[in-house]
Amino acid sequence: AQSVAQPEDQVNVAEGNPLTVKCTYSVSGNPYLFWYVQYPNRGLQFLLKYITGDNLVKGSYGFEAEFNKSQTSFHLKKPSALVSDSALYFCAVRASSGGSYIPTFGRGTSLIVHP
Amino acid sequence: ETGVTQSPTHLIKTRGQQVTLRCSSQSGHNTVSWYQQALGQGPQFIFQYYREEENGRGNFPPRFSGLQFPNYSSELNVNALELDDSALYLCASSWDRSNTEAFFGQGTRLTVV
Repeated sequence: AQSVAQPEDQVNVAEGNPLTVKCTYSVSGNPYLFWYVQYPNRGLQFLLKYITGDNLVKGSYGFEAEFNKSQTSFHLKKPSALVSDSALYFCAVRASSGGSYIPTFGRGTSLIVHP
Repeated sequence: ETGVTQSPTHLIKTRGQQVTLRCSSQSGHNTVSWYQQALGQGPQFIFQYYREEENGRGNFPPRFSGLQFPNYSSELNVNALELDDSALYLCASSWDRSNTEAFFGQGTRLTVV
C-alpha cells in the first residue's frame, strides 16, 4: 500500500527566510509525486510534480522540490518566503505504473509566514 | 482559476437522505476524480472516471456512486447519508487518463445533521 507522511503539522518561518515543508512516501515501484496548496475555503492548486528526470523540480510561485529516491523524500522548498505563501500544503504520491491512478495524499502541513 | 466549477458550494442534509453534487470540468478534460476531505485531513480518493467509465475506486462503500457525461460534467451521488459523510467534496479534472496534473474545483461543503 502506498502512503505519504508529512511529519510537521505546522511550519513557521519569517518572511524572507527560506522554507522547507517535508514529505516522505512509500509506494511500489517508481513514484509520481505532487505538491498542492490549499487556501482557506478553496480547492487544491497544483504546485509541481515529479514524474521522471531531474531530481530538482521547479514549480509555480517560486516553489521547488527535490526528489530523493534513497531517502524516499520529496521536500518542498522556497528560497525566500512571502506572507502570501501562508496556506495548507499537501504532498501526494501514486505509482507510475500498474494501472492504478489512485493518489494518496498526506494530512497536510500548515505553513505560517510571519511578517 | 482552474476552470473547474462545483455546485452547490454549501449543503446541509439530514442523516439518511440522498445528495447529488455536481462538477463541471474544463473542455477536453476526459478524466474526472472525486475526493472527500474531512476536517483536518488530506483529500481521500473516492473514484475516477475516464470517458464516462469508472476506472479507479478508493475505499468507499457502494452508496457513493458517480456519473460522467459527454459534456465534461459529472456527478457524485451519496445515498443513505451518515454523519461521518460531513466533509469538503472536491472534484478534479485532467486531460489525460493517468491524471498526472489535476485541476481542482473549489469544493462542496456537505454537512449532515
